Amino acid sequence: DSGVTQTPKHLITATGQRVTLRCSPRSGDLSVYWYQQSLDQGLQFLIQYYNGEERAKGNILERFSAQQFPDLHSELNLSSLELGDSALYFCASQPSGRFQETQYFGPGTRLLVL
Amino acid sequence: DQQVKQNSPSLSVQEGRISILNCDYTNSMFDYFLWYKKYPAEGPTFLISISSIKDKNEDGRFTVFLNKSAKHLSLHIVPSQPGDSAVYFCAASARAGNQFYFGTGTSLTVIP
Repeated sequence: DSGVTQTPKHLITATGQRVTLRCSPRSGDLSVYWYQQSLDQGLQFLIQYYNGEERAKGNILERFSAQQFPDLHSELNLSSLELGDSALYFCASQPSGRFQETQYFGPGTRLLVL
Repeated sequence: DQQVKQNSPSLSVQEGRISILNCDYTNSMFDYFLWYKKYPAEGPTFLISISSIKDKNEDGRFTVFLNKSAKHLSLHIVPSQPGDSAVYFCAASARAGNQFYFGTGTSLTVIP
């Protein structure tokens, strides 16, 4: 158990809908990353937050947004969903967001868009 | 554009033998490399890392080798055990950046 929790574990929705994925980092970790893993793809970095502020952006679509709250949990919002958004979404946390720190991953949320 | 590549989607090895998982990268700015292991229905877990100032790092049965001139790293598992059966991801980052680039993973099966 990494100490990172993600809810829900599974999500099935329809095209055009909006969903929110939630991540609680390890106790004390200030930095949260979001990744997308599509079929046969590696983990694609989406976005990083550090202590409530956006720190880095990767290949995140404009239909996607995220935020980190004062209690350090983070939410990833996916809107106008398309079939291609079906994927595993992982969040990971780090104590202070330095690039050489180990990232601790949650179990992921599996999203299926029908 | 995939900056980190794992060209072998799968690998099968007999228990007790050596497993060698390979990873290639294209960005010469990468200077920190990691391997993660992932079991089904779980998130990736950190296994071992190496900085570009080294060419080898060892942790128990796991050794990572880095060949900077070839932009290649490999993970050696000796001896391989059935519990090592998992998907292995390599990842790379650059000091100047603050994101990790992951390969597509290699599924290792260790046959008892």
